[in-house]
Amino acid sequence: QVQLQQSGPGLVKPSQTLSLTCAISGDSVSSKSASWNWIRQSPSRGLEWLGRTYYRSKWYNDYAVSVKSRITINPDTSKNQFSLQLNSVTPEDTAVYYCAGDRAPFTVSAAFGIWGQGTVVTVSS
Amino acid sequence: DIQMTQSPSSLSASVGDRVTITCRASQSISNYLNWYQQKPGKAPKLLIYAASSLQSGVPSGFSGSGSGTDFTLTISSLQPEDFATYYCQQSYSTPQTFGPGTKVDIK
Repeated sequence: QVQLQQSGPGLVKPSQTLSLTCAISGDSVSSKSASWNWIRQSPSRGLEWLGRTYYRSKWYNDYAVSVKSRITINPDTSKNQFSLQLNSVTPEDTAVYYCAGDRAPFTVSAAFGIWGQGTVVTVSS
Repeated sequence: DIQMTQSPSSLSASVGDRVTITCRASQSISNYLNWYQQKPGKAPKLLIYAASSLQSGVPSGFSGSGSGTDFTLTISSLQPEDFATYYCQQSYSTPQTFGPGTKVDIK
C-alpha cells in the first residue's frame, strides 16, 4: 500500500521560503509510471494544483503558471521523497499543502489516488 | 486553464436519499474527470476516475457518468459517513483544475 508522509514547518515569515517534504513508501519517486504532485487548499482559492515531478528516463517538472516563478519541486532518490520550495511567500500563500501521487498520469485514468496528510502552513511575521 | 463548476454548492439530504451532483467543464475534456470526497481536517479521497470508474475500496453506492463537458456524481442511498464535501477535477490538461466543491450535509 502506497503511503505519503509530509513534513515541514507550519509557520513561515513573509518573503521567506516555504519548504515541505513528502516521503513515499510502497512506491518509488523514480517510478516510470507515476507523477508526484503538490496541491494546496485555501478558502479563497479552493484546491489548487501547484506542480509535479516525474521520471521518464530523465526528470521532468510541470508547474502552475500562478507560482511558476517561485516554485521548485525536487525528487530525492536517496530518500525516496520529493520536496516543495516556494519562494518569496506572502500571506496569500497561507493554505493547507498536500502532496499527492498519480499512478497513471497522461492517461484517461490520471487521478490523485494517494494523498499525504496535509500540512497547515501560515505565512505571518 | 479549464474552469470547472459544480452545482449545487451545497445541499441538505437525509440518510437513504439519492443524491446527484453536477460538474461542468469550460471545454470538452472527454472522460478525463475525477471525483473526490473530503471530510473536515482530512485530505481528499478519490472516489471515481475516468468519469465512471470506481476506485478500489469505494462503496458501490457511488457512481459517475458523463463525457465531454457535463458530468454527474450519484450517491444511490446516502449513508451517515457520506456527509462530506465533494469535488470534481479534470485531468485532461495541465494545470489540472478542481471544481469549487459541493457540501452535503444532514437535513
